[in-house]
Amino acid sequence: QKEVEQDPGPLSVPEGAIVSLNCTYSNSAFQYFMWYRQYSRKGPELLMYTYSSGNKEDGRFTAQVDKSSKYISLFIRDSQPSDSATYLCAMSVRGATNKLIFGTGTLLAVQP
Amino acid sequence: DAGVTQSPTHLIKTRGQQVTLRCSPKSGHDTVSWYQQALGQGPQFIFQYYEEEERQRGNFPDRFSGHQFPNYSSELNVNALLLGDSALYLCASSDGPVNSPLHFGNGTRLTVT
Repeated sequence: QKEVEQDPGPLSVPEGAIVSLNCTYSNSAFQYFMWYRQYSRKGPELLMYTYSSGNKEDGRFTAQVDKSSKYISLFIRDSQPSDSATYLCAMSVRGATNKLIFGTGTLLAVQP
Repeated sequence: DAGVTQSPTHLIKTRGQQVTLRCSPKSGHDTVSWYQQALGQGPQFIFQYYEEEERQRGNFPDRFSGHQFPNYSSELNVNALLLGDSALYLCASSDGPVNSPLHFGNGTRLTVT
């Protein structure tokens, strides 16, 4: 079993839809949770960075962490064609925060 | 604000050869980490450099080595290249070795033939 599981998709939605992306994990020691966006032929771009449980909002993006269920989510409101990319969840333990464990990524396509 | 820069962008090598990849961290960052991303997979941690020393290492063989220079830039060296080393190699930098988010460069695409 992988430490971090992420549905690879692809996920196709119409412009303006609400998108929900999810990851589950098995290591209860994970305390830092991140979402990255990766466009084709580019490096991952940090979208959200959260510590422990709870919600964090930034513009059209909301990240949720449920440590009791070992489940994290990223919601994208009013999705745009420019949101079309691969979304990677990543997490790390306290004291080793540069050693990120990534999911495999979910490929999202927002259709105009 | 200069982000993380990596060179070269693409590289083709033959099995058994050696390769060196280079990275300059984001302005103000002093810690560099290297990741390997195979096609269709998430990045995998190779190692982290802080204060010119390797601080953490992932499950990669000794053929993978690195260096950090006094100006915080870094190199990744891979010896005795295998076909399976073909991947996107990503450099990430952060402000300190812990509790700081990683910012990635656009990577070096290595193809081993």
